[in-house]
Amino acid sequence: QKEVEQDPGPLSVPEGAIVSLNCTYSNSAFQYFMWYRQYSRKGPELLMYTYSSGNKEDGRFTAQVDKSSKYISLFIRDSQPSDSATYLCAMSPLISNFGNEKLTFGTGTRLTIIP
Amino acid sequence: GAVVSQHPSWVICKSGTSVKIECRSLDFQATTMFWYRQFPKQSLMLMATSNEGSKATYEQGVEKDKFLINHASLTLSTLTVTSAHPEDSSFYICSGPSIRRGYTFGSGTRLTVV
Repeated sequence: QKEVEQDPGPLSVPEGAIVSLNCTYSNSAFQYFMWYRQYSRKGPELLMYTYSSGNKEDGRFTAQVDKSSKYISLFIRDSQPSDSATYLCAMSPLISNFGNEKLTFGTGTRLTIIP
Repeated sequence: GAVVSQHPSWVICKSGTSVKIECRSLDFQATTMFWYRQFPKQSLMLMATSNEGSKATYEQGVEKDKFLINHASLTLSTLTVTSAHPEDSSFYICSGPSIRRGYTFGSGTRLTVV
């Protein structure tokens, strides 16, 4: 079993729809959670990061963490064609000395927003 | 936000030659830099962790002598693919941890070995 599971998609939704992307994990030591967006042939771009359970909102993006269920989500409201990309979840244990922990990535979900 | 500059973005080289990829942290100091490899439509595979002023730590199965990593300063880490072969063709990405912005990635280097 992989430490982080993510549905690879592809996922296609019409413009304006709410998109829900999810990851589950098995390692209870994971405390630091991130979502990245990656366009084709580009490096991943950090969208959201959070340390704790609950919701965190940034513009059209909301990250949700449920540690009891080992489940994280990313919601995209009012989706736009420019949101078409691969979305990667990533996580790591709580960082006592920031920068030394490796990230564990999901496989990524390919998302297409249809105009 | 934190910026990691990676060069070159694209390189073609002949089999048997070496290629150097540079990653610079432009607005933060990186004592650690992570190097990844990514195959088409797949997730990132961690190759090694470079540590400023000391030897890099390689993941299992990654050849140290083929993928030379140097982290000579707090703002520069390099990956050199030595004696490149076509199977080394891939997308290579570095990542530096910024306290302000988390783990920030470079734009990636597409290596094609012919």
